[in-house]
Amino acid sequence: DAGVIQSPRHEVTEMGQEVTLRCKPISGHNSLFWYRQTMMRGLELLIYFNNNVPIDDSGMPEDRFSAKMPNASFSTLKIQPSEPRDSAVYFCASRPGYPRGPRSNEQFFGPGTRLTVL
Amino acid sequence: GDSVTQMEGPVTLSEEAFLTINCTYTATGYPSLFWYVQYPGEGLQLLLKATKADDKGSNKGFEATYRKETTSFHLEKGSVQVSDSAVYFCALTGSGGYQKVTFGIGTKLQVIP
Repeated sequence: DAGVIQSPRHEVTEMGQEVTLRCKPISGHNSLFWYRQTMMRGLELLIYFNNNVPIDDSGMPEDRFSAKMPNASFSTLKIQPSEPRDSAVYFCASRPGYPRGPRSNEQFFGPGTRLTVL
Repeated sequence: GDSVTQMEGPVTLSEEAFLTINCTYTATGYPSLFWYVQYPGEGLQLLLKATKADDKGSNKGFEATYRKETTSFHLEKGSVQVSDSAVYFCALTGSGGYQKVTFGIGTKLQVIP
């Protein structure tokens, strides 16, 4: 079991550039979550998908952020244009969901992408 | 809406000391409750969970009991080790709908030899 895979692990870019973060959830999981973690704001939910459909994007900071899940095995989080205040660690997590099982509520986190915007 | 209140950190303890990290919640219905742990440079991972009132979750010497009457899920460990140094997050999943997860702010624990 490879777990949740995120790429890149580290990204350094300059203000104004486009940034794309990628996530491959665990096979068979129905839900996918994008989080942002900073020292100041802690762990923030940006958006989550259920069966590839965005359910709640109320945490997306502004129009510069967009997320897609074109299929069950891939999701992207894009920032365009990037700003220094976007510097953070971005986590992707997936969850089994339905059908119910003993681990259906558990979220499995990826290792994160550390983004630095200069 | 749902919310989780967690004690502010950091918490610094000597090795073999007793640990308590407080967590209280607000939610409708019957949420599931979780403790996640984040080691330096890693993502969060599930430590333990409880799905109904009076359930006790336990793992790696950590315990937490789902107390509906006090809406609490405090994390405890009888004897901490240096390797327990990490950030601990209390979380809940609502009982209906798409089960959005709500996390607390996280409590950093540092255990010194």
